[in-house]
Amino acid sequence: AQSVSQHNHHVILSEAASLELGCNYSYGGTVNLFWYVQYPGQHLQLLLKYFSGDPLVKGIKGFEAEFIKSKFSFNLRKPSVQWSDTAEYFCAVNNQAGTALIFGKGTTLSVSS
Amino acid sequence: SQTIHQWPATLVQPVGSPLSLECTVEGTSNPNLYWYRQAAGRGLQLLFYSVGIGQISSEVPQNLSASRPQDRQFILSSKKLLLSDSGFYLCAWSFTGGIGNTIYFGEGSWLTVV
Repeated sequence: AQSVSQHNHHVILSEAASLELGCNYSYGGTVNLFWYVQYPGQHLQLLLKYFSGDPLVKGIKGFEAEFIKSKFSFNLRKPSVQWSDTAEYFCAVNNQAGTALIFGKGTTLSVSS
Repeated sequence: SQTIHQWPATLVQPVGSPLSLECTVEGTSNPNLYWYRQAAGRGLQLLFYSVGIGQISSEVPQNLSASRPQDRQFILSSKKLLLSDSGFYLCAWSFTGGIGNTIYFGEGSWLTVV
Protein backbone atom coordinates (compact mmCIF):
# COMPACT_ATOMS: atom_id res chain seq x y z
CA ALA A 1 0.00 0.00 0.00
CA GLN A 2 1.09 3.54 -0.62
CA SER A 3 2.15 5.68 2.29
CA VAL A 4 3.61 9.12 2.80
CA SER A 5 5.93 10.24 5.58
CA GLN A 6 6.54 13.83 6.53
CA HIS A 7 9.49 14.04 8.86
CA ASN A 8 8.78 17.31 10.58
CA HIS A 9 5.62 17.81 12.60
CA HIS A 10 6.25 21.41 13.52
CA VAL A 11 8.82 23.76 12.06
CA ILE A 12 9.47 27.21 13.52
CA LEU A 13 11.43 29.75 11.47
CA SER A 14 12.17 33.42 11.42
CA GLU A 15 11.29 35.50 8.40
CA ALA A 16 13.84 35.26 5.59
CA ALA A 17 15.07 31.88 6.76
CA SER A 18 15.22 29.07 4.22
CA LEU A 19 12.73 26.24 4.37
CA GLU A 20 12.92 22.59 3.51
CA LEU A 21 10.14 20.18 4.44
CA GLY A 22 10.82 16.51 3.97
CA CYS A 23 8.48 14.08 2.28
CA ASN A 24 9.10 10.43 1.50
CA TYR A 25 6.69 8.00 -0.06
CA SER A 26 6.51 4.29 -0.45
CA TYR A 27 5.20 2.93 -3.70
CA GLY A 28 6.90 0.73 -6.24
CA GLY A 29 5.39 2.16 -9.39
CA THR A 30 5.16 5.51 -11.12
CA VAL A 31 3.64 8.17 -8.93
CA ASN A 32 2.20 11.64 -9.01
CA LEU A 33 3.32 13.87 -6.16
CA PHE A 34 1.68 16.90 -4.63
CA TRP A 35 2.15 19.51 -1.96
CA TYR A 36 -0.96 21.10 -0.51
CA VAL A 37 -1.14 24.01 1.91
CA GLN A 38 -3.80 25.01 4.39
CA TYR A 39 -3.53 28.56 5.67
CA PRO A 40 -5.28 29.30 8.97
CA GLY A 41 -9.01 29.37 8.44
CA GLN A 42 -8.79 28.59 4.74
CA HIS A 43 -9.30 25.63 2.42
CA LEU A 44 -6.65 23.21 1.40
CA GLN A 45 -5.10 24.41 -1.82
CA LEU A 46 -2.55 23.05 -4.22
CA LEU A 47 0.98 24.43 -3.98
CA LEU A 48 2.58 22.36 -6.71
CA LYS A 49 2.55 18.95 -8.30
CA TYR A 50 4.79 16.61 -10.20
CA PHE A 51 3.74 13.93 -12.63
CA SER A 52 6.46 13.83 -15.27
CA GLY A 53 9.30 15.79 -16.82
CA ASP A 54 11.64 18.10 -14.97
CA PRO A 55 11.99 16.76 -11.42
CA LEU A 56 12.34 20.30 -10.08
CA VAL A 57 8.85 21.70 -9.88
CA LYS A 58 7.99 25.31 -9.20
CA GLY A 59 4.75 26.25 -7.55
CA ILE A 60 2.95 29.29 -6.29
CA LYS A 61 4.37 31.83 -3.85
CA GLY A 62 7.98 30.96 -4.52
CA PHE A 63 7.80 27.33 -3.44
CA GLU A 64 9.54 24.54 -5.29
CA ALA A 65 9.97 20.82 -4.80
CA GLU A 66 12.40 18.30 -6.15
CA PHE A 67 11.47 14.75 -7.01
CA ILE A 68 14.35 12.37 -6.34
CA LYS A 69 13.20 9.00 -7.55
CA SER A 70 16.11 7.07 -6.08
CA LYS A 71 15.30 8.42 -2.64
CA PHE A 72 11.52 8.25 -2.99
CA SER A 73 11.48 11.86 -1.88
CA PHE A 74 9.67 15.05 -2.82
CA ASN A 75 10.96 17.74 -0.49
CA LEU A 76 9.42 21.19 -0.45
CA ARG A 77 11.70 24.24 -0.40
CA LYS A 78 11.54 27.99 -0.26
CA PRO A 79 14.67 30.15 -0.12
CA SER A 80 13.19 32.85 2.11
CA VAL A 81 9.99 32.39 4.09
CA GLN A 82 7.54 35.11 5.01
CA TRP A 83 5.21 35.46 7.95
CA SER A 84 2.32 34.76 5.55
CA ASP A 85 3.74 31.27 4.89
CA THR A 86 2.55 30.21 8.32
CA ALA A 87 0.31 27.24 7.51
CA GLU A 88 0.04 23.50 7.53
CA TYR A 89 1.69 21.71 4.62
CA PHE A 90 0.69 18.31 3.32
CA CYS A 91 2.57 16.04 0.97
CA ALA A 92 0.45 13.61 -1.04
CA VAL A 93 0.89 10.83 -3.58
CA ASN A 94 -1.19 8.81 -5.98
CA ASN A 95 -0.29 6.41 -8.73
CA GLN A 96 -0.59 7.15 -12.40
CA ALA A 97 -3.95 5.47 -12.63
CA GLY A 98 -5.15 8.48 -10.68
CA THR A 99 -6.42 6.74 -7.61
CA ALA A 100 -7.22 8.74 -4.53
CA LEU A 101 -4.52 10.83 -2.96
CA ILE A 102 -2.80 9.53 0.12
CA PHE A 103 -1.62 12.27 2.41
CA GLY A 104 1.16 12.60 4.92
CA LYS A 105 0.34 13.73 8.43
CA GLY A 106 1.24 17.30 7.68
CA THR A 107 3.84 19.77 8.88
CA THR A 108 2.89 22.91 10.71
CA LEU A 109 5.10 25.83 9.75
CA SER A 110 5.21 28.83 12.06
CA VAL A 111 7.08 31.89 10.80
CA SER A 112 7.84 34.69 13.21
CA SER A 113 8.28 38.25 12.00
CA SER B 1 -15.71 26.87 -13.49
CA GLN B 2 -16.12 24.06 -11.02
CA THR B 3 -17.22 24.55 -7.45
CA ILE B 4 -17.68 22.25 -4.51
CA HIS B 5 -20.10 22.80 -1.66
CA GLN B 6 -20.12 20.96 1.61
CA TRP B 7 -22.51 21.28 4.54
CA PRO B 8 -23.10 21.72 7.37
CA ALA B 9 -19.97 23.67 8.26
CA THR B 10 -20.15 22.77 11.93
CA LEU B 11 -22.05 20.10 13.78
CA VAL B 12 -22.30 19.06 17.41
CA GLN B 13 -23.92 15.68 17.85
CA PRO B 14 -24.42 13.39 20.84
CA VAL B 15 -22.89 9.94 20.94
CA GLY B 16 -25.19 7.42 19.31
CA SER B 17 -26.93 9.91 17.06
CA PRO B 18 -26.89 9.65 13.26
CA LEU B 19 -24.78 11.74 10.92
CA SER B 20 -25.24 13.06 7.43
CA LEU B 21 -22.73 15.31 5.71
CA GLU B 22 -23.50 16.32 2.17
CA CYS B 23 -21.29 17.44 -0.66
CA THR B 24 -22.12 18.55 -4.18
CA VAL B 25 -19.93 19.51 -7.10
CA GLU B 26 -20.99 21.87 -9.86
CA GLY B 27 -19.55 22.61 -13.24
CA THR B 28 -18.27 19.18 -14.17
CA SER B 29 -19.57 15.71 -14.95
CA ASN B 30 -18.59 12.33 -13.58
CA PRO B 31 -16.00 13.60 -11.14
CA ASN B 32 -14.11 11.38 -8.75
CA LEU B 33 -15.36 12.21 -5.26
CA TYR B 34 -13.63 11.77 -1.93
CA TRP B 35 -14.20 12.05 1.79
CA TYR B 36 -11.20 12.80 3.97
CA ARG B 37 -10.94 13.28 7.70
CA GLN B 38 -8.40 15.53 9.35
CA ALA B 39 -7.94 14.52 12.96
CA ALA B 40 -5.52 16.26 15.29
CA GLY B 41 -2.04 14.83 14.96
CA ARG B 42 -3.07 12.38 12.29
CA GLY B 43 -3.08 14.47 9.16
CA LEU B 44 -5.46 13.80 6.32
CA GLN B 45 -6.93 10.35 6.18
CA LEU B 46 -8.78 9.09 3.13
CA LEU B 47 -12.11 7.57 4.16
CA PHE B 48 -13.95 6.90 0.91
CA TYR B 49 -13.67 7.59 -2.76
CA SER B 50 -16.04 7.13 -5.64
CA VAL B 51 -15.45 6.94 -9.37
CA GLY B 52 -19.13 6.86 -10.30
CA ILE B 53 -22.72 6.66 -9.11
CA GLY B 54 -23.14 3.87 -6.61
CA GLN B 55 -19.42 3.01 -6.69
CA ILE B 56 -17.81 3.50 -3.31
CA SER B 57 -14.39 2.37 -2.16
CA SER B 58 -13.71 2.34 1.55
CA GLU B 59 -10.14 2.88 2.64
CA VAL B 60 -10.46 2.49 6.38
CA PRO B 61 -12.84 0.29 8.37
CA GLN B 62 -14.90 2.52 10.57
CA ASN B 63 -18.24 3.60 11.86
CA LEU B 64 -18.99 5.61 8.74
CA SER B 65 -20.45 4.95 5.31
CA ALA B 66 -20.67 6.90 2.08
CA SER B 67 -23.15 7.02 -0.73
CA ARG B 68 -23.30 8.62 -4.15
CA PRO B 69 -26.93 8.78 -5.17
CA GLN B 70 -26.29 11.22 -8.00
CA ASP B 71 -23.33 11.97 -10.24
CA ARG B 72 -22.22 15.06 -8.35
CA GLN B 73 -23.50 14.30 -4.88
CA PHE B 74 -21.53 12.53 -2.19
CA ILE B 75 -22.91 11.84 1.29
CA LEU B 76 -21.07 10.74 4.42
CA SER B 77 -23.23 9.00 7.00
CA SER B 78 -23.24 7.20 10.27
CA LYS B 79 -26.06 5.40 12.04
CA LYS B 80 -24.54 5.86 15.50
CA LEU B 81 -21.74 8.31 16.13
CA LEU B 82 -18.83 7.55 18.43
CA LEU B 83 -16.70 10.04 20.31
CA SER B 84 -13.79 9.05 18.07
CA ASP B 85 -15.71 10.26 15.01
CA SER B 86 -15.02 13.85 16.01
CA GLY B 87 -12.85 15.66 13.53
CA PHE B 88 -12.73 17.83 10.45
CA TYR B 89 -14.26 16.21 7.39
CA LEU B 90 -13.34 17.28 3.92
CA CYS B 91 -15.12 16.46 0.71
CA ALA B 92 -13.07 16.70 -2.45
CA TRP B 93 -13.28 16.06 -6.18
CA SER B 94 -11.01 15.50 -9.14
CA PHE B 95 -11.39 14.99 -12.86
CA THR B 96 -11.64 11.37 -13.91
CA GLY B 97 -8.92 9.56 -15.76
CA GLY B 98 -5.58 10.92 -16.82
CA ILE B 99 -2.53 11.47 -14.71
CA GLY B 100 -1.59 14.04 -12.18
CA ASN B 101 -5.14 14.61 -11.07
CA THR B 102 -5.32 17.52 -8.73
CA ILE B 103 -7.82 17.16 -5.94
CA TYR B 104 -9.97 20.16 -5.06
CA PHE B 105 -11.32 20.44 -1.55
CA GLY B 106 -14.50 21.77 -0.05
CA GLU B 107 -14.61 24.05 2.94
CA GLY B 108 -14.86 21.20 5.41
CA SER B 109 -17.22 20.28 8.21
CA TRP B 110 -16.29 20.36 11.87
CA LEU B 111 -17.94 17.50 13.70
CA THR B 112 -17.87 17.35 17.47
CA VAL B 113 -19.37 14.28 19.08
CA VAL B 114 -20.28 14.87 22.72
